[in-house]
Amino acid sequence: DAGVTQSPTHLIKTRGQQVTLRCSPKSGHDTVSWYQQALGQGPQFIFQYYEEEERQRGNFPDRFSGHQFPNYSSELNVNALLLGDSALYLCASSHRLLDATNEKLFFGSGTQLSVL
Amino acid sequence: DAKTTQPNSMESNEEEPVHLPCNHSTISGTDYIHWYRQLPSQGPEYVIHGLTSNVNNRMASLAIAEDRKSSTLILHRATLRDAAVYYCILRDRFRSSARQLTFGSGTQLTVLP
Repeated sequence: DAGVTQSPTHLIKTRGQQVTLRCSPKSGHDTVSWYQQALGQGPQFIFQYYEEEERQRGNFPDRFSGHQFPNYSSELNVNALLLGDSALYLCASSHRLLDATNEKLFFGSGTQLSVL
Repeated sequence: DAKTTQPNSMESNEEEPVHLPCNHSTISGTDYIHWYRQLPSQGPEYVIHGLTSNVNNRMASLAIAEDRKSSTLILHRATLRDAAVYYCILRDRFRSSARQLTFGSGTQLTVLP
């Protein structure tokens, strides 16, 4: 089992550019969530995708958008990059349960984005 | 939403037990207590969760106070590989936010050889 895989592992962009990050969920998982982790802080929830639709969204601007494909993989897009977008972007997958509190999230190792 | 409070850092000696505390004095009756940890250069990983009763699994034990206002993650025999940031997280089963994890700053555990 490959677990959650993310690509690329590192990325350098300049202000104003656009970036796309990719995530393949753990086998058997149908839900993908994205988190942003600034240096020295805990991860912050961006949004969650299930059945190819955005189901929940955290406090992030519309510059952050995503997509989920029929094979459950997902992309995170960030437009008009700002210096403050520099962070580790984590993808987490889970198998959606009726009782969300019993869902276990499995995280990838993340994509380190640097905006210069 | 109820909040959690954890010490910023703790130290432990290798092969000794570690007790990581978490305070959640405003916890609701439907909040589950979850623990995740983040090893260096990795994403967080699930450790354990519970509601009221103490819980055990192969990684750790979770001791929940009778009034549920605090909990303790217990690593029975710390190894160097347990050095990580440990996060205590509440998830309310009746809130839509239960499907997302709200991380605080966590506790940085250092294991000394």
